[in-house]
Amino acid sequence: EIVMTQSPATLSVSPGERATLSCRASQSVSSNLAWYQQKPGQAPRLLIYDSSTRATGVPARFSGSGSGTEFTLTISSLQSEDFAVYYCQQYNNWPPDTFGQGTKLEIK
Amino acid sequence: EVQLVESGGGLVQPGGSLRLSCAASGFTVSSNYMSWVRQAPGKGLEWVSVIYSGGTTDYADSVKGRFTISRDTSKNMLYLQMNSLRAEDTAVYYCARCGYTSGWYRTWGQGTLVTVSS
Repeated sequence: EIVMTQSPATLSVSPGERATLSCRASQSVSSNLAWYQQKPGQAPRLLIYDSSTRATGVPARFSGSGSGTEFTLTISSLQSEDFAVYYCQQYNNWPPDTFGQGTKLEIK
Repeated sequence: EVQLVESGGGLVQPGGSLRLSCAASGFTVSSNYMSWVRQAPGKGLEWVSVIYSGGTTDYADSVKGRFTISRDTSKNMLYLQMNSLRAEDTAVYYCARCGYTSGWYRTWGQGTLVTVSS
């Protein structure tokens, strides 16, 4: 099973600033990686799939990059509604697909 | 509008059974890959099971032999039959529509809480 490791566990950023979240896979997953946003009491919401493709309706301030074992989610200018927990997920040779443990993005 | 609505969660004793349902609207369940994903309280996300458009199924090792995923084409519903429940099965269970023929999840339900406790 592929293990996904996200860093940092918690990221404190001020509104309007850039946030960079990292995700590392224990072995190559090619570009088969997705990012999700989850707010308290809500279901996850798809942001990015295939490493860099934004899902329908996702603002352009969200961007994804990377391939192989190293991936990044960047939020270019944080809005108040962006503070949430973010998960990466690999789906290379799934199932099983596996998720990272999450990065909590909090207001500084 | 594409929507998934789960139901059937609740409190069950260890060793008991529960059946979760997921009502889909705006798309056809049988034409899509559909999964169940769970999230233990305060924890991360864990894939549980998938049913492919052709009808075959797969399960996480942690639930294999105890859980059964199925669908009803006439009702456009997805189900998860859970038997021999354990405390570690306690979680919010989400049904999710997969991305085309790939393993990412484009649509999620709101989730239903299953609590296994005596």
